[in-house]
Amino acid sequence: EPEVTQTPSHQVTQMGQEVILRCVPISNHLYFYWYRQILGQKVEFLVSFYNNEISEKSEIFDDQFSVERPDGSNFTLKIRSTKLEDSAMYFCASTREGQETQYFGPGTRLLVL
Amino acid sequence: GESVGLHLPTLSVQEGDNSIINCAYSNSASDYFIWYKQESGKGPQFIIDIRSNMDKRQGQRVTVLLNKTVKHLSLQIAATQPGDSAVYFCAEPGHISGGYNKLIFGAGTRLAVHP
Repeated sequence: EPEVTQTPSHQVTQMGQEVILRCVPISNHLYFYWYRQILGQKVEFLVSFYNNEISEKSEIFDDQFSVERPDGSNFTLKIRSTKLEDSAMYFCASTREGQETQYFGPGTRLLVL
Repeated sequence: GESVGLHLPTLSVQEGDNSIINCAYSNSASDYFIWYKQESGKGPQFIIDIRSNMDKRQGQRVTVLLNKTVKHLSLQIAATQPGDSAVYFCAEPGHISGGYNKLIFGAGTRLAVHP
């Protein structure tokens, strides 16, 4: 069964550094999402992406964040200058045309020191 | 407004018992709901969904009930097993015009299954 994959599984970085989180959505999916989950809290929407552009973004997704689909398979989330409060699990999700259920990857645990 | 919330943060059950996890929503126009299971250190895993034109939907050992009158849905797990131990989230699409929607998650209920 196809799955969403994410790399790395864990990332530790210094405050102010740039990080890039990578995702490979399910191959026939067209809609892509990033969510984050601060430890012990609920999953929060960051951004949705379709047809090579952002469809919607939350207020969390400020100018420090960007997304890109650099090729036909990868979907990335970049945080330009990480802050301590960016420490969280980041989940990628995807869905196909005509479907509302989103399928999630295993997540990247980001720790900003 | 857009809001999905859960009644209880933790539910402890004995192995073999049935579990019921509850969720309330505030938007009466909501027409689709999803239950996700999240095991420790993993991403949310789809369990079952239901549309607002249904009151009940059954899967393997799981049943979702939707009460539109009181804006409440529940997830019932029959014969709960240790592998069911996880955090369970209800979620609904936050509607935007066109395109496909973000999911709005509830706070989550932790299910602990004891032998």
